Amino acid sequence: NAGVTQTPKFQVLKTGQSMTLQCAQDMNHEYMSWYRQDPGMGLRLIHYSVGAGITDQGEVPNGYNVSRSTTEDFPLRLLSAAPSQTSVYFCASGRGGQETQYFGPGTRLLVL
Amino acid sequence: AQSVTQLGSHVSVSEGALVLLRCNYSSSVPPYLFWYVQYPNQGLQLLLKYTSAATLVKGINGFEAEFKKSETSFHLTKPSAHMSDAAEYFCAVWASGTYKYIFGTGTRLKVLA
Repeated sequence: NAGVTQTPKFQVLKTGQSMTLQCAQDMNHEYMSWYRQDPGMGLRLIHYSVGAGITDQGEVPNGYNVSRSTTEDFPLRLLSAAPSQTSVYFCASGRGGQETQYFGPGTRLLVL
Repeated sequence: AQSVTQLGSHVSVSEGALVLLRCNYSSSVPPYLFWYVQYPNQGLQLLLKYTSAATLVKGINGFEAEFKKSETSFHLTKPSAHMSDAAEYFCAVWASGTYKYIFGTGTRLKVLA
């Protein structure tokens, strides 16, 4: 199993550009989530999904969209990048929310 | 609302010394509690989790944590620190009824030779 994969590993964007961060898992997990990690703030939940076709907002959803058309994939879209979205983004999956979460390697995003 | 608080954003210990990383939780229902570790430039991986089966939970790499309801704590310990333990450690709670994981702000552990 590849586990949770994320692409790209690193990305530089200009303010106002849009992009999609990809996340895929091959463990048939129902629960998937996106976090951003900023120094001194731990991990903050952006969006999560409890199954294909079902998504909901986390703690910091503004400026981000998600969709879950398949069990395997959970892409995160930045609609119009802002410098405040400079961060490291992690995708995670698990059998259920209260179960162990498996994290991807992260995507480092720099918005200029 | 459920939450976790990690006391101490940075902890330094000497190699061979006791490691103690503190986590206090807030929950009105029996919580699911977790400790994760993050090595530099990597994602998080599970160290251990509490799911009410036993109050003393043993994890990987010699770490363990004790659930103390009276103190609302879930501190992480390791009897003897190793250089390879240098990493950032996160306490987390599964917020029942909300489908959300809540993470603490993390504690960076430095191990001194």
